[in-house]
Amino acid sequence: AQSVTQLGSHVSVSEGALVLLRCNYSSSVPPYLFWYVQYPNQGLQLLLKYTSAATLVKGINGFEAEFKKSETSFHLTKPSAHMSDAAEYFCAVSDSRNTPLVFGKGTRLSVIA
Amino acid sequence: GAVVSQHPSRVICKSGTSVKIECRSLDFQATTMFWYRQFPKQSLMLMATSNEGSKATYEQGVEKDKFLINHASLTLSTLTVTSAHPEDSSFYICSARDLDRGSNEQFFGPGTRLTVL
Repeated sequence: AQSVTQLGSHVSVSEGALVLLRCNYSSSVPPYLFWYVQYPNQGLQLLLKYTSAATLVKGINGFEAEFKKSETSFHLTKPSAHMSDAAEYFCAVSDSRNTPLVFGKGTRLSVIA
Repeated sequence: GAVVSQHPSRVICKSGTSVKIECRSLDFQATTMFWYRQFPKQSLMLMATSNEGSKATYEQGVEKDKFLINHASLTLSTLTVTSAHPEDSSFYICSARDLDRGSNEQFFGPGTRLTVL
């Protein structure tokens, strides 16, 4: 069975600083990996996804993530944080087209002016 | 494209009553929809997988007689919380897959905030 570990339940960065949110996965087969963002009292919005094409995936709002099989990681980065990036971020994994997503516990990103 | 709606967005009910939440895929067909529950400051926990025209598949620990799921068409799944109690208060989120896109990306609804008094 697949699982996701997000290191750090809360990350705080200054506006303009690098954002790094960590995600490690466990899967017995090549995984499908996703990053979602959730603003308060809202549903989830897809930031980006990895589906076995390019290992460096670019998403919306300037975010990107790199799939590293040797490290079983899919960390999310953004070169320069913006105040509007403050939200909850979830990493998710699925091992096939027919299985539901399994989510990590989430990382709350705070951006300090 | 790939928009999922939920209704209602917020509901408050008395203990012992039943509440129905609708999940609709607005611009695509979804043979499979998923229902998640999210408690405050926690992650999404999968409750059940809803399959059009057949019985839902429930995750371990989720009472199927309490959380009734009906997926009667390719664009609508409903979750009914029967005899709701305060501990059922939570944020319920549905998602759906667009089979025509050929990927397993799930599109999420905006969620329903249930408060049981």
